[in-house]
Amino acid sequence: AQSVTQPDIHITVSEGASLELRCNYSYGATPYLFWYVQSPGQGLQLLLKYFSGDTLVQGIKGFEAEFKRSQSSFNLRKPSVHWSDAAEYFCAVGASGYSTLTFGKGTMLLVSP
Amino acid sequence: KAGVTQTPRYLIKTRGQQVTLSCSPISGHRSVSWYQQTPGQGLQFLFEYFSETQRNKGNFPGRFSGRQFSNSRSEMNVSTLELGDSALYLCASSSNQQGTLNSPLHFGNGTRLTVT
Repeated sequence: AQSVTQPDIHITVSEGASLELRCNYSYGATPYLFWYVQSPGQGLQLLLKYFSGDTLVQGIKGFEAEFKRSQSSFNLRKPSVHWSDAAEYFCAVGASGYSTLTFGKGTMLLVSP
Repeated sequence: KAGVTQTPRYLIKTRGQQVTLSCSPISGHRSVSWYQQTPGQGLQFLFEYFSETQRNKGNFPGRFSGRQFSNSRSEMNVSTLELGDSALYLCASSSNQQGTLNSPLHFGNGTRLTVT
């Protein structure tokens, strides 16, 4: 069975600073990896996904993530954070041939002025 | 295109009651999945329906059930409510037909269920 670990429950970043949210997964084969963002009272919005190919994937809102098989990681990055990025971020893994996702517990991003 | 619509947005029920939540997927999407989100357990998969058939099921008790209609709209039902069923229930739709993740899940805003 697959699993996802997001080591940081909360992260505070100054507006304009760079951001990196960590995600480690456990899965025997090549995983399908996703990052979702959830604003208060809202559902989940897909930021980006990795299925195969180029290990650096670009997403919406200026986010990118890098798949590192050797480290079982899929960290999310943004070069300059905006106050509107404050939200909860979820990393998720899926298995080839299946349509279900296993989510991490999430990282709450706080943006300070 | 309208997104995934979940109704109602909020529900308050008493222990022992039952509840039905509704989800209308994005037009053309035939796969509908349900997830439960709680502070303690996070997001957990409940079940997935495709063309009115349950395709996958998570590890939840039989009190949790669902169905899908011919227009792809889906409902989930929870019987004999317990305090621990208080959660945000999220519905997601996908255009996937093969039961894979090649097309991503699109989530609704959820139904917040409070059991007292």
